[in-house]
Amino acid sequence: DAGITQSPRHKVTETGTPVTLRCHQTENHRYMYWYRQDPGHGLRLIHYSYGVKDTDKGEVSDGYSVSRSKTEDFLLTLESATSSQTSVYFCAIRRGRDTGEYEQYFGPGTRLTVT
Amino acid sequence: SQKIEQNSEALNIQEGKTATLTCNYTNYSPAYLQWYRQDPGRGPVFLLLIRENEKEKRKERLKVTFDTTLKQSLFHITASQPADSATYLCALSGGSNYKLTFGKGTLLTVNP
Repeated sequence: DAGITQSPRHKVTETGTPVTLRCHQTENHRYMYWYRQDPGHGLRLIHYSYGVKDTDKGEVSDGYSVSRSKTEDFLLTLESATSSQTSVYFCAIRRGRDTGEYEQYFGPGTRLTVT
Repeated sequence: SQKIEQNSEALNIQEGKTATLTCNYTNYSPAYLQWYRQDPGRGPVFLLLIRENEKEKRKERLKVTFDTTLKQSLFHITASQPADSATYLCALSGGSNYKLTFGKGTLLTVNP
């Protein structure tokens, strides 16, 4: 458990409304990630952050923006939600090991439905 | 473009047998390959990491192989148990190991 929480855990929203998902970590990790997971596509990277105010795009970034004003919080915003953004969203952090290698730890996910 | 294929969407085996899952990739030269387990309604959980210069790695009943010539990783669970039933994901990353690309996963069901 890397102390990752996501809020909200479930959300139903209407097309065209803005939505913000929050990821919070308690262990001060530098790298944080947002993924979406859909049947038939698997996990796909939306955006990631490598420090406060340092973010970059992933594979499926269109329609999403992110912000990281504090180490512990990484926000994902859908400026104007569309039905194609109905998905399960996972936040993750990159955690180092004693071997010098890294792995990712995932939050519990947010299930977003856009109607 | 990079492509990762986990060759079975679903695999059913009998308890006690060895489960073997396959991960193939193209247009990629990963430095690291990782395997994750995901249970329904939960986030993926890290299992094992293997480097490009390692042939094999083991952890308890798990074994991973990495063949960069064949561009393939095999993930084995020996003496499988019903509790091993889950979706298993492989993921690749480059030298800096900060960004992962995931396969779609294989749903393993171990029947008692």
